[in-house]
Amino acid sequence: AQRVTQPEKLLSVFKGAPVELKCNYSYSGSPELFWYVQYSRQRLQLLLRHISRESIKGFTADLNKGETSFHLKKPFAQEEDSAMYYCALRTYNTDKLIFGTGTRLQVFP
Amino acid sequence: DVKVTQSSRYLVKRTGEKVFLECVQDMDHENMFWYRQDPGLGLRLIYFSYDVKMKEKGDIPEGYSVSREKKERFSLILESASTNQTSMYLCASQVTTGELFFGEGSRLTVL
Repeated sequence: AQRVTQPEKLLSVFKGAPVELKCNYSYSGSPELFWYVQYSRQRLQLLLRHISRESIKGFTADLNKGETSFHLKKPFAQEEDSAMYYCALRTYNTDKLIFGTGTRLQVFP
Repeated sequence: DVKVTQSSRYLVKRTGEKVFLECVQDMDHENMFWYRQDPGLGLRLIYFSYDVKMKEKGDIPEGYSVSREKKERFSLILESASTNQTSMYLCASQVTTGELFFGEGSRLTVL
């Protein structure tokens, strides 16, 4: 069965520290991976997708098919990065997105 | 910009009541989704619809039904609300590239 695992419920760092939010997936086919973010009192929104291979707000994520991972990274965290982050998987033959349980990132000043 | 609007931000209902959650999108998208969001459980898919009058069960459809009479509107129905359905409900509309656009959410409390 397809599954997305985010092992950390909470990640706390200080401003300026590097950040890595982990995401592992279980899927035998060719996956499409996304990162969504939800800031306080805002709607859930797309942060980035692996197909576009772009950096958004300083965040990057590389799909590693060998390790079935799609970790989200930022070299220098900012206080405004504090939010809930969800990793999501779209399988080849469906339009459904399967979400992980989410990681709350707290960036302290 | 894609706009997904959920009609009720906060609802308080009693056990056994029938509850309607409405969602409207303005971009003529075919696919629409209902998720519930719970701390520690993430987003779980309840139902989705890929066209008018077409629907498919998600991972947790028990206790819920849906209606899609018009393309722009996707409704979630709780026939007889129970306390374990207290949650945040998120509606989403999907573009052809797969990205989901979410509404602001409807927080339902069942007493």
